Amino acid sequence: DTGVSQDPRHKITKRGQNVTFRCDPISEHNRLYWYRQTLGQGPEFLTYFQNEAQLEKSRLLSDRFSAERPKGSFSTLEIQRTEQGDSAMYLCASSSTGAGSPLHFGNGTRLTVT
Amino acid sequence: AQKVTQAQTEISVVEKEDVTLDCVYETRDTTYYLFWYKQPPSGELVFLIRRNSFDEQNEISGRYSWNFQKSTSSFNFTITASQVVDSAVYFCALDNAGNNRKLIWGLGTSLAVNP
Repeated sequence: DTGVSQDPRHKITKRGQNVTFRCDPISEHNRLYWYRQTLGQGPEFLTYFQNEAQLEKSRLLSDRFSAERPKGSFSTLEIQRTEQGDSAMYLCASSSTGAGSPLHFGNGTRLTVT
Repeated sequence: AQKVTQAQTEISVVEKEDVTLDCVYETRDTTYYLFWYKQPPSGELVFLIRRNSFDEQNEISGRYSWNFQKSTSSFNFTITASQVVDSAVYFCALDNAGNNRKLIWGLGTSLAVNP
């Protein structure tokens, strides 16, 4: 169990550019989640996969955001045409499928849009 | 309505003091899960404990203890003999659906333990 890893740790981009983040979950976990966190707030749910199926997307996830988990292992989160309001910490987490299974988070990717 | 309230925004203590972080939740469901997570300055959220609604037994893990009381809808967290390494933001969270999709987070309590 090597934990959840996210890449990159930090990303600075100019407004209008596209960015892609990667998450490698704990290998035994079927569920993978993306959250966003801004300063002074708790994490906000963005989307959720069980294996390769994306089962839910938050209303927060505009059309500029897309997430994939092609083989049910790693996942990518892409933001197109970034805006300054997208600046946040993007957190990936994974869990097993048992009811009430806790989330195991990665270190996050801090996005700054200038 | 489902809600988690962490009324204490910031707490500052001196090392070795005991400190209790409050968490009050609202839910109409009879089955639910409560969690505490720690977020140190490095940023990674770390799972601390889970309680389901049918298990009101309090738990102690080293210097950490949790007091779950359904009668007052509270799930408080106490750190005994605090240490500088305990400095972090602590989040309480409520899961009604049992699958983390609808996890409801409190705003967090920022704990500063000073030497």
